[in-house]
Amino acid sequence: DAKTTQPPSMDCAEGRAANLPCNHSTISGNEYVYWYRQIHSQGPQYIIHGLKNNETNEMASLIITEDRKSSTLILPHATLRDTAVYYCIVRVALSGAGSYQLTFGKGTKLSVIP
Amino acid sequence: DTAVSQTPKYLVTQMGNDKSIKCEQNLGHDTMYWYKQDSKKFLKIMFSYNNKELIINETVPNRFSPKSPDKAHLNLHINSLELGDSAVYFCASNPGHRPSGANVLTFGAGSRLTVL
Repeated sequence: DAKTTQPPSMDCAEGRAANLPCNHSTISGNEYVYWYRQIHSQGPQYIIHGLKNNETNEMASLIITEDRKSSTLILPHATLRDTAVYYCIVRVALSGAGSYQLTFGKGTKLSVIP
Repeated sequence: DTAVSQTPKYLVTQMGNDKSIKCEQNLGHDTMYWYKQDSKKFLKIMFSYNNKELIINETVPNRFSPKSPDKAHLNLHINSLELGDSAVYFCASNPGHRPSGANVLTFGAGSRLTVL
């Protein structure tokens, strides 16, 4: 799996957009970018994933640069409940259960401030 | 309805004891996992089962033995508990379809094990 680099921590004002960057300069053509988050004392929660195109769902938007070497997770209107550790993971999407193991790094601790 | 449920949520026990953590998923997924999150907050995969068959067994001591009676359940039994086993253990499941479903895991709330 390609290595990812994320800032260790970020602050965001409540109600503002939270933009979380992720660098994955060694990503290969068949690797997807996944984002998960872990709210304190809870299990990790899937947010969004993408390959090349920008993606949006009810939780967030994922912007992937044209060269795919970096991406940004956008929470459009951050709330206090979005305070969590956010993990960016790059992984191929292969068949077979053994291919679905995910390696979680240190992530970015996002603090949403009132 | 909880999608992936683990019991117990908290477990405090003495060194040397044997304990089990149970996991059940009602999502109809084919693949289930156990992850361990240590005090430094790193999440590491321990085991993966696909349709009751062991697929992944990372470098985990033999004292840890997963058991999958059916594809909706994956239990974790730990023998001769040691201090270093103290951690939060997360169960997860995955539909097993690629590419859109691949790597989209649903995690349980975790089971915090404290070994004294």
